[in-house]
Amino acid sequence: NAGVTQTPKFQVLKTGQSMTLQCAQDMNHEYMSWYRQDPGMGLRLIHYSVGAGITDQGEVPNGYNVSRSTTEDFPLRLLSAAPSQTSVYFCASRKLAGGDEQYFGPGTRLTVT
Amino acid sequence: AQTVTQSQPEMSVQEAETVTLSCTYDTSENNYYLFWYKQPPSRQMILVIRQEAYKQQNATENRFSVNFQKAAKSFSLKISDSQLGDTAMYFCAFMYSNTGNQFYFGTGTSLTVIP
Repeated sequence: NAGVTQTPKFQVLKTGQSMTLQCAQDMNHEYMSWYRQDPGMGLRLIHYSVGAGITDQGEVPNGYNVSRSTTEDFPLRLLSAAPSQTSVYFCASRKLAGGDEQYFGPGTRLTVT
Repeated sequence: AQTVTQSQPEMSVQEAETVTLSCTYDTSENNYYLFWYKQPPSRQMILVIRQEAYKQQNATENRFSVNFQKAAKSFSLKISDSQLGDTAMYFCAFMYSNTGNQFYFGTGTSLTVIP
């Protein structure tokens, strides 16, 4: 199993540009989520999904969109990039039941200039 | 909102010594899970240890153990016989037992193991 994969690993955007961060998992996990990690702030939840066709907002959803058309994929879209979105982004997945751990992707370092 | 507090932004320990990282959390629920994740310089998030709140016995994984004090809402991580590879950021996390609920992370403790 590849686990959770994310692309790209690094990205530089100009203010106002849009892009999609890709996330895929091959563990048949129902739950998928996106976090951003900023120095001194830990990981903050952006959006999450409990299954195909179902998404919901986390703590910091503004400026981001998600969709979940399949169990495997959960892309994160930045609609109009802003310098405040400079961060490291992690995708994660887990089984819904049983308090299972979350499995994380390798992260994407995004810089918005 | 759920809060998880890690009050030690940075710590250091001599190789082969023992270190304890603290974590407190705030909840009115009775059933939940607690986790410690390690993030080395590679940036990959790795599960270190997991504790179910209904279990009184403290979880142990090799050199890693927890001191879970439910009444005090405290969940500290003890690393014994520290190794250079333990140098990393450590995050405490909380999750309610209800399915579909999110993880809440602390702000992390940066641990450096000194040779």
